Amino acid sequence: AQTVTQSQPEMSVQEAETVTLSCTYDTSESDYYLFWYKQPPSRQMILVIRQEAYKQQNATENRFSVNFQKAAKSFSLKISDSQLGDAAMYFCAYRYPRQKLVFGQGTRLTINP
Amino acid sequence: DAGVIQSPRHEVTEMGQEVTLRCKPISGHDYLFWYRQTMMRGLELLIYFNNNVPIDDSGMPEDRFSAKMPNASFSTLKIQPSEPRDSAVYFCASSFFLSGGLHEQFFGPGTRLTVL
Repeated sequence: AQTVTQSQPEMSVQEAETVTLSCTYDTSESDYYLFWYKQPPSRQMILVIRQEAYKQQNATENRFSVNFQKAAKSFSLKISDSQLGDAAMYFCAYRYPRQKLVFGQGTRLTINP
Repeated sequence: DAGVIQSPRHEVTEMGQEVTLRCKPISGHDYLFWYRQTMMRGLELLIYFNNNVPIDDSGMPEDRFSAKMPNASFSTLKIQPSEPRDSAVYFCASSFFLSGGLHEQFFGPGTRLTVL
């Protein structure tokens, strides 16, 4: 069964600094999708970034980028120029096509002004 | 589009009562998911539907939980009878299948359930 592990329950960073959130996963599949979701205090789950496993190029969305290491089954999220609005729970997730989304336990990110 | 709509946003009930949570997926989406989120267990998938048909209900905790999708625009999650340990935030999400296989799940705002 696929599993997703986020080894950092909590992280904190100074405003304007860069922070990296870790995620590893376990799968025997070769074609799958990886996601990072953000859950602010409002509870709304918001997609931050996604990566197709067949793509070697790391996905980037403005200040958010990933480091996808397929062989190592690692999918970390880098947030550059951290802003107060980035404070939230961040969930890493895995999905095989047409299958369910498997979430990690989450990392709570605090931004210090 | 209004996004995924869930109702109610908050529900407080007493142990033993029946609770019904409702979800309206995004129009055109053919997958619908019900999740439960608690501090202890994180985000758990309870059940998901494809084209109104339940595909995987292995996450449904016990027979007290049931879910239906009578049509493409409506789903319910029912708990009968409810227990205090059912207190959680319940999310509904929907997605559609693209030919390339990449399909983002869009989440509703969640229903916070408290069972006293």
